[in-house]
Amino acid sequence: EAQVTQNPRYLITVTGKKLTVTCSQNMNHEYMSWYRQDPGLGLRQIYYSMNVEVTDKGDVPEGYKVSRKEKRNFPLILESPSPNQTSLYFCASSLSSQGGQVTEAFFGQGTRLTVV
Amino acid sequence: AQKVTQAQTEISVVEKEDVTLDCVYETRDTTYYLFWYKQPPSGELVFLIRRNSFDEQNEISGRYSWNFQKSTSSFNFTITASQVVDSAVYFCALSEARSNYQLIWGAGTKLIIKP
Repeated sequence: EAQVTQNPRYLITVTGKKLTVTCSQNMNHEYMSWYRQDPGLGLRQIYYSMNVEVTDKGDVPEGYKVSRKEKRNFPLILESPSPNQTSLYFCASSLSSQGGQVTEAFFGQGTRLTVV
Repeated sequence: AQKVTQAQTEISVVEKEDVTLDCVYETRDTTYYLFWYKQPPSGELVFLIRRNSFDEQNEISGRYSWNFQKSTSSFNFTITASQVVDSAVYFCALSEARSNYQLIWGAGTKLIIKP
């Protein structure tokens, strides 16, 4: 079954304690991205990756890191989480590329993060 | 500048009514894609439709239909004979070549269908 898997689904952590949210897709998609969703602000892109070892900042990258060492995985790292990073996070993958082939984005189930 | 505008923050209708959710977009690209996603109360994002800029045909899928009009830069979504299960937040999104095909999201419209 084609899917994007995020873990964990729920996480409560304390300020400053490094954490990683994993994301894995089994569709061989080139394009992966991370979003955060906050009430009234919709979805905002944090980082994206157009292929292995190619990552770039989205609209709200501050306080986050990503890596793309393998095509299927795209972890989101919060080195020193702060309460303003409390949010609902989504990972997504798609076939979009500079070649112009664009498919819909497949989303993970979401990770609800609370930083206290 | 807002590239995808969903002016209706919240819409409430009674079951069986028809309802249209508006989406207006801005782009200078000639090649772009438009999407609609549904986010039910359970939180996941469900893909509904993708439309590319060269295909202005309207689409119908069951009770759902989409009206794409390049002349007015709109991609509106209509639910016919709404049902309680249609209650969700609906997002319109734009993907354009100049932005490396990143998804640019509207703020979403919360649709409430009352029994």
